[in-house]
Amino acid sequence: NFMLTQPHSVSGSPGETVTISCTGSSGNYVQWYHQRPGSAPTTVIYEDNQRPSGVPDRFSGSIDSSSNSVSLIISGLKTEDEGDYYCQSSDSSNHFVFGTGTKVTVL
Amino acid sequence: EVQLVQSGAEVKKPGESLKISCKGSGYNFMSYWIGWVRQMPGRGLEWIGIIYADDSDTRYSPSFEGQVTISVDKFISTAYLQWSSLKASDTAMYYCARHGGSYFSYWGQGTMVTVSA
Repeated sequence: NFMLTQPHSVSGSPGETVTISCTGSSGNYVQWYHQRPGSAPTTVIYEDNQRPSGVPDRFSGSIDSSSNSVSLIISGLKTEDEGDYYCQSSDSSNHFVFGTGTKVTVL
Repeated sequence: EVQLVQSGAEVKKPGESLKISCKGSGYNFMSYWIGWVRQMPGRGLEWIGIIYADDSDTRYSPSFEGQVTISVDKFISTAYLQWSSLKASDTAMYYCARHGGSYFSYWGQGTMVTVSA
């Protein structure tokens, strides 16, 4: 099984841009989930760079094939963006893996 | 409206058995996979396994294979996660989530399982 590694934490001031990396991708699609304390996760990005309906375009996903990593970019940071973010991918046998998680703090 | 409603919190003793549930509504339950995810206190998300509601095709994470059983009753649109002998280390929040196409698009509210002597 593969592993997905994320930075433990990132922070930024309101209005700034933060980037969360996710290293170790299997080459399959990557999703990103946001989890606020005490709540279930919600999807902010699927299939590497697609946004579900209702997710603002401040959220975007990027891929760096050369380094086998993907990133979640949050621009125009807002206090409501605080929480934990997890990347997630799968292998060819429909086995899923979540990343180690990144805590986003808005200063 | 798509909803996944999970059964309530459980407090059990080590060695006891447990089966928690996840009932889907607002969509064709049989056409989707339902996954289970563990979140231990203060820790990250861990994928446990996934089941296809129509034919019960099931996949497990190697970390959970043999430790839990995932099942489904498609006639009542409900998926289950069960343990035959709980351990203190099973204490966690457990989420079910619908997998549609490429991602977990809808999540249950979570079931807290506490295992303590």
